[in-house]
Amino acid sequence: AQKITQTQPGMFVQEKEAVTLDCTYDTSDPSYGLFWYKQPSSGEMIFLIYQGSYDQQNATEGRYSLNFQKARKSANLVISASQLGDSAMYFCAMREVSGYSTLTFGKGTMLLVSP
Amino acid sequence: ETGVTQTPRHLVMGMTNKKSLKCEQHLGHNAMYWYKQSAKKPLELMFVYNFKEQTENNSVPSRFSPECPNSSHLFLHLHTLQPEDSALYLCASSQGQGSSGANVLTFGAGSRLTVL
Repeated sequence: AQKITQTQPGMFVQEKEAVTLDCTYDTSDPSYGLFWYKQPSSGEMIFLIYQGSYDQQNATEGRYSLNFQKARKSANLVISASQLGDSAMYFCAMREVSGYSTLTFGKGTMLLVSP
Repeated sequence: ETGVTQTPRHLVMGMTNKKSLKCEQHLGHNAMYWYKQSAKKPLELMFVYNFKEQTENNSVPSRFSPECPNSSHLFLHLHTLQPEDSALYLCASSQGQGSSGANVLTFGAGSRLTVL
């Protein structure tokens, strides 16, 4: 079974609008971390935001926020006020305590921001 | 230099060649990783080193041989590769291992490998 599921292969959004990228995960560990990365066409994976399983508040970093719904095992990324430079692949990833060395990635969502 | 640097950025090799990918991190991290990114597949973890010791080998074929001489440098030696090994190879480092936010992986820009 997949540990990280990103159901949207591609998303389109207009500049200045908000967009939500979906991520669901599967784990039986009580302690885990959820990460979102951005990969522009240059190839580098850029860390965006982190949410710990015990964090009470949803994580926020500038225009990025994470809609963490623990009971539903979802960790959706919300990008507010989209910019043209946000066009990239976005990956959700999880690190469990039991597999403590492994960061497991989803297949990614391609986001295209239009003017 | 800062962050994680990978060289070369692009590599084309024949199936009988021997080449190496190099990764260097300037972040003072203790753990380093090799990931493989193929088209239409999730990133696959290949190897993990923590304090220069290999802690994970994710069933990688022996034609890929990692080397970690110190906590700042990581190599991936390649020999007798197959065309299906063509992919983007990403190096990453982290302060430690574990699920906390302190152990965020910082990635390099990758080495794009084409095997003819």
